[in-house]
Amino acid sequence: DADVTQTPRNRITKTGKRIMLECSQTKGHDRMYWYRQDPGLGLRLIYYSFDVKDINKGEISDGYSVSRQAQAKFSLSLESAIPNQTALYFCAAQDRGRAGELFFGEGSRLTVL
Amino acid sequence: QKEVEQNSGPLSVPEGAIASLNCTYSDRVSQSFFWYRQYSGKSPELIMSIYSNGDKEDGRFTAQLNKASQYVSLLIRDSQPSDSATYLCAVRGSSYKLIFGSGTRLLVRP
Repeated sequence: DADVTQTPRNRITKTGKRIMLECSQTKGHDRMYWYRQDPGLGLRLIYYSFDVKDINKGEISDGYSVSRQAQAKFSLSLESAIPNQTALYFCAAQDRGRAGELFFGEGSRLTVL
Repeated sequence: QKEVEQNSGPLSVPEGAIASLNCTYSDRVSQSFFWYRQYSGKSPELIMSIYSNGDKEDGRFTAQLNKASQYVSLLIRDSQPSDSATYLCAVRGSSYKLIFGSGTRLLVRP
């Protein structure tokens, strides 16, 4: 079974719609991250959370919000989607003390028309 | 200047050759360096980490770090077609966040 699971895997939506991408993990990792991946730009950090009460902005947080509902769940919201938010979104989890070892979900491909 | 830079490629090598992937970074106080492999349509997976200057070997993979030159590389010996993927360099700097390069696409020709 996958450690980190993302839903939905694919979503097509229209400009202005509210979208939520959900992420859950099964192995009790402390830290969770949301990245977006665009061709030629690599992975860019949107938000990260070191525990349920600790939420931090990443490089490109504008237009996004997150919620850490429990240690195992970390959701990403686009309040009013726009076309340049079309991308592949990855959730990742990490254990405290394992600095560079991220466990990634399968990715959520979002298309905003 | 990007914090972590990689040549996008594709880097094309014949089967059995050594593939050399390079990465430079801008934050001089960076402490930890990582290589992730990402197959097409899949998520990244960690394959190597390196923390000290010099070489670190793991099977067919060798990571090399030169902090003075702010340079990290990944060598893949005896390259196989199954090594064809995008390789992402990641650096953990003073902010403790992991910053990724844009990746180098490697193509190993049979």
